[in-house]
Amino acid sequence: DVQMTQSPSSLSASVGDRVTITCRASQTLNNYLNWYQQKPGQAPKLLIFAASTLEGGVPSRFSGSGSGTDFSLTISNLQPEDFATYYCQQTYRTPITFGQGTRLEIK
Amino acid sequence: QITLKESGPTLVRPTQSLTLTCDFSGFSLRDNGVGVGWVRQTPGKAPEWLALIFWDGDSRYSPSLQDRLTITKDTAKNQVVLTMTYMDPVDTARYYCTHIYSSYWYWGQGTLVTVSS
Repeated sequence: DVQMTQSPSSLSASVGDRVTITCRASQTLNNYLNWYQQKPGQAPKLLIFAASTLEGGVPSRFSGSGSGTDFSLTISNLQPEDFATYYCQQTYRTPITFGQGTRLEIK
Repeated sequence: QITLKESGPTLVRPTQSLTLTCDFSGFSLRDNGVGVGWVRQTPGKAPEWLALIFWDGDSRYSPSLQDRLTITKDTAKNQVVLTMTYMDPVDTARYYCTHIYSSYWYWGQGTLVTVSS
């Protein structure tokens, strides 16, 4: 199985800050890496697919980068609606696996 | 516009089987490369992938659950069905259906399943 190590597990930041969440895979993923945002009581929402492609309708302050085994999600100019939990997901090999999540909280 | 709607029982007794249906629109399982998957999640935990099926009938399962899972498709009805046998209280979760195309996954809103006697 491909293990996904996501860090940090939690993060405190202020509105207007820039934050970065990282995900490391135990094997190369050929850029089959997605990022999701999840708010309480809601389904995960796809933000970034194929490591760096922004899903339609997602604000441009979200960006994804990386290749091989190391990937990151950056949120610039944090807005109040961005405080949520974020997950990475590899879809390169089955079993499909997820990172353990990063809870982004308001400082 | 892609939509997915999960349906099934909200309460299942231990040892019973669970059957969930995903009704979808906005894409077809006749299309090359398209798939539908199932994922579940318990509160405060990361999502857990269960199974998926592709347009050509290729199906894959979580190794830890494969003995209990069956996924099937009805292309004409735009439906995918997941069956999980021998339900246990630890299987209580929200179950999501997802559209898959290459790395692109789009999720339904999910359905909450509680396993309790």
